[in-house]
Amino acid sequence: ELKVEQNPLFLSMQEGKNYTIYCNYSTTSDRLYWYRQDPGKSLESLFVLLSNGAVKQEGRLMASLDTKARLSTLHITAAVHDLSATYFCAVDGPDSNYQLIWGAGTKLIIKP
Amino acid sequence: DADVTQTPRNRITKTGKRIMLECSQTKGHDRMYWYRQDPGLGLRLIYYSFDVKDINKGEISDGYSVSRQAQAKFSLSLESAIPNQTALYFCATSDLGLPPYNEQFFGPGTRLTVL
Repeated sequence: ELKVEQNPLFLSMQEGKNYTIYCNYSTTSDRLYWYRQDPGKSLESLFVLLSNGAVKQEGRLMASLDTKARLSTLHITAAVHDLSATYFCAVDGPDSNYQLIWGAGTKLIIKP
Repeated sequence: DADVTQTPRNRITKTGKRIMLECSQTKGHDRMYWYRQDPGLGLRLIYYSFDVKDINKGEISDGYSVSRQAQAKFSLSLESAIPNQTALYFCATSDLGLPPYNEQFFGPGTRLTVL
């Protein structure tokens, strides 16, 4: 069964701290996507990682992809309250349809 | 203006009623999707369409139907709504880039409550 597992599923942290969200997947995909969702809102694309070793950064968020380990990480540096949201990772499925397989999401709460 | 729009944004209906949710996009993408999100859960794919003549079932298509009226429009229908279809529904679009990849762009969502 194709799976995308995120951990932790819930994270409460203090402002100024660093933390990492992990996304493990069971397919052989080399394409991985990170999305952000604010409560009751839509999903916003954050990062698209298209190859092994890909690293992308936007502000305090940095995403990386290790296709050999089937692992992506989303690292948060010096967290601020505005980063509170649910973060989803997704990978392309194994067939030519490129359907996304979604993780369950990590709910991140950053306390002042 | 939003690239992917959904109507209505909120809907309350009763068990047994027929409901249609509509999605329009101005991104020029061929691929369109309907997802369902339940509280605290991830996304589940209901139906997807790669062009006007191509409609495919997702993992939870039972109780739902779709219509792709044009490249820019994709509608989701609940023929006879039931309470466990209460959820947040998202439409999304994508166009395979080069190299092929499937970054999807989401509409604002429709919150549906079935009483």
